[in-house]
Amino acid sequence: GAGVSQSPSNKVTEKGKDVELRCDPISGHTALYWYRQSLGQGLEFLIYFQGNSAPDKSGLPSDRFSAERTGGSVSTLTIQRTQQEDSAVYLCASSLSGTGSYNEQFFGPGTRLTVL
Amino acid sequence: RKEVEQDPGPFNVPEGATVAFNCTYSNSASQSFFWYRQDCRKEPKLLMSVYSSGNEDGRFTAQLNRASQYISLLIRDSKLSDSATYLCVVKERTGGFKTIFGAGTRLFVKA
Repeated sequence: GAGVSQSPSNKVTEKGKDVELRCDPISGHTALYWYRQSLGQGLEFLIYFQGNSAPDKSGLPSDRFSAERTGGSVSTLTIQRTQQEDSAVYLCASSLSGTGSYNEQFFGPGTRLTVL
Repeated sequence: RKEVEQDPGPFNVPEGATVAFNCTYSNSASQSFFWYRQDCRKEPKLLMSVYSSGNEDGRFTAQLNRASQYISLLIRDSKLSDSATYLCVVKERTGGFKTIFGAGTRLFVKA
């Protein structure tokens, strides 16, 4: 079946503009995660959705970042008033459930964001 | 102290070598542990879960030492195709499960 998909694959924007990044998780997966990976760095947790529960937003770096997950499926990560330090690869992952100890996270190919 | 720490490497080894990666985690209440592999400019993919009893998958062996809060990955008979970044991952129970990735250890296997 289809894996996790993300769009766009690349996004170049000007400082101060808003951007929206989209993630389509694997069908039936109730948990969805957003991460950020800067060049040569590890993954930084941003936000986690589990079913209909309130999302864990503890990783969002500022109030310019927000995310929604509609109908328990597709998710959109929005960055308002982008800054150059927002440039990174934004990775989305999904898993069967976030509450299972050993549920594998399946990653999408990422969106490479460049803020000029 | 970082929540999950790894030696960043890089490790440069010849084909056929045995190489070991270590990872330490700070939260003694951490519940589950994994090694993910990330190829250059690609997304991470699960390599193996790490269980308390230790586990082996072909040339790969993972071990967990809860008392020392330490996880290891051993790769035997290294192949060129093993060249990648290896990410240590820890899940903590905090309401749901919080997933923390280490910064990764880079491995280069050379002919």
